Formats: sequence, C-alpha cells, structure tokens
Amino acid sequence: QQPVQSPQAVILREGEDAVINCSSSKALYSVHWYRQKHGEAPVFLMILLKGGEQKGHDKISASFNEKKQQSSLYLTASQLSYSGTYFCGCPIQGAGSYQLTFGKGTKLSVIP
Amino acid sequence: SAVISQKPSRDICQRGTSLTIQCQVDSQVTMMFWYRQQPGQSLTLIATANQGSEATYESGFVIDKFPISRPNLTFSTLTVSNMSPEDSSIYLCSVVSGTGELFFGEGSRLTVL
Repeated sequence: QQPVQSPQAVILREGEDAVINCSSSKALYSVHWYRQKHGEAPVFLMILLKGGEQKGHDKISASFNEKKQQSSLYLTASQLSYSGTYFCGCPIQGAGSYQLTFGKGTKLSVIP
Repeated sequence: SAVISQKPSRDICQRGTSLTIQCQVDSQVTMMFWYRQQPGQSLTLIATANQGSEATYESGFVIDKFPISRPNLTFSTLTVSNMSPEDSSIYLCSVVSGTGELFFGEGSRLTVL
C-alpha cells in the first residue's frame, strides 16, 4: 500500500519552515525519507524505526508516530539547496525490510 | 557509501524491441533492487536481485517482461522486453547499506517510440 504524502507541492522563501507529512493505512514499522533533485538520483535523508527517537540531520528532522501510522519531515530555516522532491517510503508488506513502496512525493521549491 | 554506475544513461528504442540495462556497484552487495520512475512520478520497485537465486518480482511485474540477471555480487542487468511506449521511464538500480540506507544509480532514461 503506497503511503500518502501531503502537501503535493510547497513554495517557500529562504528561511521559512515547512512540514511534509506521510501516512499509511497499514501498520508502519519504519519510514524512510529521500530527496530527489531534478535529473538526479534520490538521496537518503533518514530512517525512522518503530520505537525509535526523532531523528535530525542539520536543519532537517523527522518524527514517527506509530499509533497514527504517520511520519512528518520538518525543514527549518529552509535553504535554496533544499529544493527538490521529497519521498517517504515504507517496507512493502510481505517483502523484506528494504523493499520499499514510496509516496507520490512532495515538490519543495525554495525561492530567494 | 556505494557508487553505482548504470549503462546506458539514456536510449531511444523502437516498439517491440528489447533493451538491457547494466548496473555495476563498486563494492560487493547481497541485494540489488530495480526501480522504475515514470516521468514526474514516484519510484516503484520492480524486483529484488540476489546473487545465486532467482529475482523476486513485485506485484504487477513479471519475469518474462523484465528478466534480471545477477551473475556476481557487484553486477546486475535488467532487460525490458518487447517494449511499448508505456515502458518509457527512468530505470534505477539501487543497493542497501548495512544501516538500511538505499543508494541509487543515476538511472537509465528509456524512451520507446
């Protein structure tokens, strides 16, 4: 079951904050976040595991609410380099931990 | 980290033909994954390729259409058979690290006329 991301797109000015949400109708045991810039390969941001703590990387952090089957990605004081499409992924049911199904993506545009 | 090279980077093919995409990794890995990304869309897992065993295909993908080889721990190929315009996509090879991080190749952009 493909996770659902919201919003589909967001435009920010440099320095503004954004939140990207990812939810699933199935139980989540882990959530993976990736960013893909136009014409490039997706790049890993972080993994959140069931029972794990909120993770952070520079000014990008994420939370994981297992009960609500949701994860949120927080981008604070956005920079031009944050522009790209953000995908959340979760393990495909019945497959292994690393076989992921990805959401449709959230396109983030940061403007000066 | 892992460095993944894919060939070809792009190709234009005629309907009904087949194309083989190669994926080379700079280190030995157990699992390799093939994803498809249609223009402006999400990533969809086609199959998992393990060395020494048959590839495992996800729902909606079959071996006759997407045969996969995995002759050793650093190399895999994906063939897109009997192509139609609906097969026009970017095909990405991926490997997983010990911490669960996926590394992706730059992708092979396929256009079918």
